[in-house]
Amino acid sequence: SQQGEEDPQALSIQEGENATMNCSYKTSINNLQWYRQNSGRGLVHLILIRSNEREKHSGRLRVTLDTSKKSSSLLITASRAADTASYFCATGIQGAQKLVFGQGTRLTINP
Amino acid sequence: NAGVTQTPKFRVLKTGQSMTLLCAQDMNHEYMYWYRQDPGMGLRLIHYSVGEGTTAKGEVPDGYNVSRLKKQNFLLGLESAAPSQTSVYFCASSLDRADYGYTFGSGTRLTVV
Repeated sequence: SQQGEEDPQALSIQEGENATMNCSYKTSINNLQWYRQNSGRGLVHLILIRSNEREKHSGRLRVTLDTSKKSSSLLITASRAADTASYFCATGIQGAQKLVFGQGTRLTINP
Repeated sequence: NAGVTQTPKFRVLKTGQSMTLLCAQDMNHEYMYWYRQDPGMGLRLIHYSVGEGTTAKGEVPDGYNVSRLKKQNFLLGLESAAPSQTSVYFCASSLDRADYGYTFGSGTRLTVV
C-alpha cells in the first residue's frame, strides 16, 4: 500500500476560501514534501518540512507535520482559480534514497 | 536553465516494439528518477540512479531498463512494449537523496496498442 495517502481525494471550493488537504503515512520519515501538478504537466515542488519541524509557511501555503500521528496537512489560504491542480504529498523515508508519493488530492477552485 | 527535459513528449508504440525515453538535466544533480503515473495509482517509481554509472530498481521495474552513462542523462528503455506500459512517464532529479525537492520534467505520454 502507499506510504503517503492524501485525504480527501477531491476537493471543490469557492475562490477566496481556504483549502486544506491531509496526508497520512506509515513509517518514520526524514522529511515530507508537497507538490502541485497542473493538468497535463509535470509536478512542481512546493514545500519541504523536516521531521523535526512542526510548521512551515511559504506565501499562501502553510504546512504542518505531526510525527506522533504520522500526518501532515497543507493549507492554501485565499484560494485562486490558478490553484486548481492536483496536490501530492511525498515522504522521504529514513534510510531511503527516494521519495514515495501519495495518490494526490484533486483541488478545484470555482470562480 | 532548462531544468529537466524529457523527449519525446508523445509516442505511440505497437506491442512488442522497443523505445528509449531520454531525460536530461542541466542542474548538476546527482540523483535521477523515473516514475510512471497512472489514473488512481499516483506516481510509482520505476528505476533510479544515485550517480553516474549507477542504477537501482524501484517499485515497478519489470519490463524496463535504465542507463546513466553521463551524469546529466538518464535513459529509460522498453525492450518489448506491452499495453500495460501505457502511461505517462516522468523523470525527476534532485541534488542529493530525498532530502531535497525534486525537479520534474514535463512528462512523456506513451500509448502501447
